[in-house]
Amino acid sequence: GAVVSQHPSWVICKSGTSVKIECRSLDFQATTMFWYRQFPKQSLMLMATSNEGSKATYEQGVEKDKFLINHASLTLSTLTVTSAHPEDSSFYICSARKPGTGGVDGELFFGEGSRLTVL
Amino acid sequence: SQQGEEDPQALSIQEGENATMNCSYKTSINNLQWYRQNSGRGLVHLILIRSNEREKHSGRLRVTLDTSKKSSSLLITASRAADTASYFCATLRNSGNTPLVFGKGTRLSVIA
Repeated sequence: GAVVSQHPSWVICKSGTSVKIECRSLDFQATTMFWYRQFPKQSLMLMATSNEGSKATYEQGVEKDKFLINHASLTLSTLTVTSAHPEDSSFYICSARKPGTGGVDGELFFGEGSRLTVL
Repeated sequence: SQQGEEDPQALSIQEGENATMNCSYKTSINNLQWYRQNSGRGLVHLILIRSNEREKHSGRLRVTLDTSKKSSSLLITASRAADTASYFCATLRNSGNTPLVFGKGTRLSVIA
């Protein structure tokens, strides 16, 4: 299957600092990537759709100035949590579809997630 | 809002038993997908069933889909301790290259 890689897998930061999470599609090009957030024992909630070469599309209630998304290339999307606070502590997961796998409505390939802890 | 709702939220069974998880959704769909998530890890795609399919098998997995009731079930037969994970159903928000909307998930514990 396709490989989506996230880095870092975990990060601890102080309140008020910014944290960048990278999501790479290792063996395919992804014009679109999706960022999800997952709190403990809860489901994945879509945060935003990352579009290569254009602005991300944010879900209602997600602050675009706080969660900066950049999709500068076909294999890399980054999520920057700016001025992080303890309530931003969560598991952040990116995903993408590999072209040709079941068509555009096919499965998503997920990164391993990045656990953010804000002290 | 969540598209899918799974039940039960948590399920604990003995190794060798079958595990059945159910999922309901609200809108019309092109397909429904099931994913597995080990604790603290990313999601792994298990199976996709299209709206014109009623049942699909993959190894020890059996998925059914009832579009009239807007529900799906995932059956894991002869469960193993390694099947312990959370299982989510997911549907496309719209057609095309759009995100998946996930249900709340079922946490399955298989006791050896």
